Amino acid sequence: DAGVIQSPRHEVTEMGQEVTLRCKPISGHNSLFWYRQTMMRGLELLIYFNNNVPIDDSGMPEDRFSAKMPNASFSTLKIQPSEPRDSAVYFCASSPTLGVGYTFGSGTRLTVV
Amino acid sequence: GQQVMQIPQYQHVQEGEDFTTYCNSSTTLSNIQWYKQRPGGHPVFLIQLVKSGEVKKQKRLTFQFGEAKKNSSLHITATQTTDVGTYFCAGPGNQFYFGTGTSLTVIP
Repeated sequence: DAGVIQSPRHEVTEMGQEVTLRCKPISGHNSLFWYRQTMMRGLELLIYFNNNVPIDDSGMPEDRFSAKMPNASFSTLKIQPSEPRDSAVYFCASSPTLGVGYTFGSGTRLTVV
Repeated sequence: GQQVMQIPQYQHVQEGEDFTTYCNSSTTLSNIQWYKQRPGGHPVFLIQLVKSGEVKKQKRLTFQFGEAKKNSSLHITATQTTDVGTYFCAGPGNQFYFGTGTSLTVIP
């Protein structure tokens, strides 16, 4: 099993640009989560999906952030327009069902300059 | 809202010393999970505890879930340099809350 695959690993972009982060969960996992990690705020849950349906997006910071899961094997997190304060490591995680241990991807380190 | 707090935030130990991190929730948890994140890495699932008073061991690591299911602890016996990293607890709610983490440094 290749695990949870995220791309890109690193992204440097200029303020105002659109950023798209991608995630491929483990096959057969029904729940997918997007987290953001910073030194100041730790691990924050942004949104999670169950069976491709967004269940809770209350952690999404603002309207500039959007997430989709068009099918069971792919999800995107989009930031438009990006701002320097969005700089963080973004993790995608998946689990067989809600409440079971998560498998995290390697993360995308986003730097907005 | 629901919060999961961990103490201490940082811990430096000499190699061979023991280490304990504590996790406290403001509400009763149906279960609690523990993760380890190496520097520059991603969180890796270690274990899940479900029952009140449950104790589980993984080699030198001992995990405990409180009787009231509002707190948990992770104890490492005789730390090694490979134990370096940040240890997180996580509890379910409407969202899955990760604790603030305890960063462990092991001095050789």
